[in-house]
Amino acid sequence: ILNVEQSPQSLHVQEGDSTNFTCSFPSSNFYALHWYRWETAKSPEALFVMTLNGDEKKKGRISATLNTKEGYSYLYIKGSQPEDSATYLCAFTNYGGSQGNLIFGKGTKLSVKP
Amino acid sequence: DTGVSQDPRHKITKRGQNVTFRCDPISEHNRLYWYRQTLGQGPEFLTYFQNEAQLEKSRLLSDRFSAERPKGSFSTLEIQRTEQGDSAMYLCASNQGVTYTDTQYFGPGTRLTVL
Repeated sequence: ILNVEQSPQSLHVQEGDSTNFTCSFPSSNFYALHWYRWETAKSPEALFVMTLNGDEKKKGRISATLNTKEGYSYLYIKGSQPEDSATYLCAFTNYGGSQGNLIFGKGTKLSVKP
Repeated sequence: DTGVSQDPRHKITKRGQNVTFRCDPISEHNRLYWYRQTLGQGPEFLTYFQNEAQLEKSRLLSDRFSAERPKGSFSTLEIQRTEQGDSAMYLCASNQGVTYTDTQYFGPGTRLTVL
């Protein structure tokens, strides 16, 4: 059974704090790692897709890194704002598995207090 | 709005009733996926279509579940004889399906509550 672990499960920070989350996934047959942000009552929004070991992606104050050899990815948020409050999901796809369907972690719920 | 849409957004039903959900993908997206998220879990894959062909079904998709995508456009997911364990958020996603790295674009989901 392929398992994706995310930590922490939830996080409460003050506005302006920087924070980071972890996503762990099976390193064998790795193909791609996806990060999504899901705000309540909205659609999950794609943040990044990463495939290469050592990959780093950035979108505004949010960035992500990827280590495929050890099977983890970090998501960083610099200077958190209340609008960053959401659940952050990671998902991966692997070779030999189903054609592109995502295997998700349980998510990290971030709350940013003004 | 050219995103993925789902209807209804919320559905409350009694145990034993049948329910049907609809998903309208982004225009010209060949692949359409259904996922289910139960309380405290991440979304789990149910099934996907390449155009009108249903190419894979998860073991989670019992014989009470059926999905269709006539004409390769919108898709419906029907649950027959609903059970309380079917209560979940049902998410639909679509993409071009050219490579495994193609972003899947999600709809807002249909939240099902079975009483």
